[in-house]
Amino acid sequence: GAVVSQHPSRVICKSGTSVKIECRSLDFQATTMFWYRQFPKQSLMLMATSNEGSKATYEQGVEKDKFLINHASLTLSTLTVTSAHPEDSSFYICSAQGKVRGRGADTQYFGPGTRLTVL
Amino acid sequence: GENVEQHPSTLSVQEGDSAVIKCTYSDSASNYFPWYKQELGKRPQLIIDIRSNVGEKKDQRIAVTLNKTAKHFSLHITETQPEDSAVYFCAFGGSMFSGGYNKLIFGAGTRLAVHP
Repeated sequence: GAVVSQHPSRVICKSGTSVKIECRSLDFQATTMFWYRQFPKQSLMLMATSNEGSKATYEQGVEKDKFLINHASLTLSTLTVTSAHPEDSSFYICSAQGKVRGRGADTQYFGPGTRLTVL
Repeated sequence: GENVEQHPSTLSVQEGDSAVIKCTYSDSASNYFPWYKQELGKRPQLIIDIRSNVGEKKDQRIAVTLNKTAKHFSLHITETQPEDSAVYFCAFGGSMFSGGYNKLIFGAGTRLAVHP
C-alpha cells in the first residue's frame, strides 16, 4: 500500500515553455500533497502544500505564479512550471499524505521524482 | 523558524559495524519524527518513524530514539550491510505550522557508505 506515482520521470524543454508534472496516489486518498525541489546532493526543500479543492500554500521565496499547483482530486495534484528557465532545472518530488492502514495519517509517501532540464 | 540539524553529513563504516545519525530539532511542539532513506536518483523511502509518546522504537536492524527534553532524536543501524549505503534524512513535524498543514522539516542528510 501507499504507492505514489509521478509523471513524467524526465523532461527536457526549451526555455520559455511550460511543463506540467502529475502526482498521483494510487491506492489511498491523499488529503494533502506536498511538492519539493531537490538539488544535487542536497536536502528536500518544500515548495508548497496543497489540499484537495483549495489553494496551495507556498513556502517563503517560492513564486506562486511561477509554480502553479492544482489539487483537483484526492488522488491527483499537478505542478506546472511556467515559462521555465535553465535555473528551474532540478529534481521535483511530490509526496502524498493520507490514512494508510497501519500508519498515521500524517505519514508522507514520496513519488519517484521528475528530473526537469531546461535548455 | 523551524529547522533541524543533522550530523554527521557523511559517515563511512565497515560492513557489520553500527551507524548512528543524530538530529536536533527546534520546535518543542513537534510530535512526529520520521527517517527516510534515499538511494541515488530514487525517491525517499520511509524506514522508521517515532512519535513523541514513546522514547524508542525498533524494527529489525534499525532503531530510533527520541529525547523530547533535549529535542534530540537518533537513528541507529546495527550490523550494517553494503545495501544500507544511501543518504538518510531525518525530519520532524506534527505541530501546526503556517497554513495549518502537517508539513515536515527535513535535515540536510547523511551520506552513509558501508564498505565490504
